[in-house]
Amino acid sequence: SQQGEEDPQALSIQEGENATMNCSYKTSINNLQWYRQNSGRGLVHLILIRSNEREKHSGRLRVTLDTSKKSSSLLITASRAADTASYFCATDANSGYALNFGKGTSLLVTP
Amino acid sequence: DGGITQSPKYLFRKEGQNVTLSCEQNLNHDAMYWYRQDPGQGLRLIYYSQIVNDFQKGDIAEGYSVSREKKESFPLTVTSAQKNPTAFYLCASSIAGAQGEQYFGPGTRLTVT
Repeated sequence: SQQGEEDPQALSIQEGENATMNCSYKTSINNLQWYRQNSGRGLVHLILIRSNEREKHSGRLRVTLDTSKKSSSLLITASRAADTASYFCATDANSGYALNFGKGTSLLVTP
Repeated sequence: DGGITQSPKYLFRKEGQNVTLSCEQNLNHDAMYWYRQDPGQGLRLIYYSQIVNDFQKGDIAEGYSVSREKKESFPLTVTSAQKNPTAFYLCASSIAGAQGEQYFGPGTRLTVT
């Protein structure tokens, strides 16, 4: 079952702007992960944040996690055309061994 | 795409035929997964395996079968019982199940006519 839901479904910005995507989930988690998928390709892991963490950074990426609201956000700063992709959040709820993915946010960054 | 290979990249089959998708990893990961992705949708779990000779059904296992005879290989068979098999299939592996990152292969796009 799909646990995470990303918002917005699609986002279009210009290079240099920041992009923010949100993810909401329904049940308790141990960790939440963000992945990126270029069109027609496999997913690439971006960042993992554990339930006892509130914020994590990796390069131009900043992820926050609010377990009280069951939500997470992914911020990409100073976006580039190469950031154009779909972004998915995934949680480890329900099974413990498999991830539940949302439907993703499609990000378009125009030069 | 890390150390996971999927072949072929594109696959075409006639309705009623079984087809097997290959997934091989050289990452020494115990856990492997198969997901299905439809246009504009997220990933749905078909099967997963935590260890050799063991596997569990995911959310949409009907019409699919798997085997895990070797640690590095986790082939998926799409049977004729799968009512809507045309989709993008992704294989992944991980060290620690859902507690760590998953490494994905490049995917196989299956078209059944």
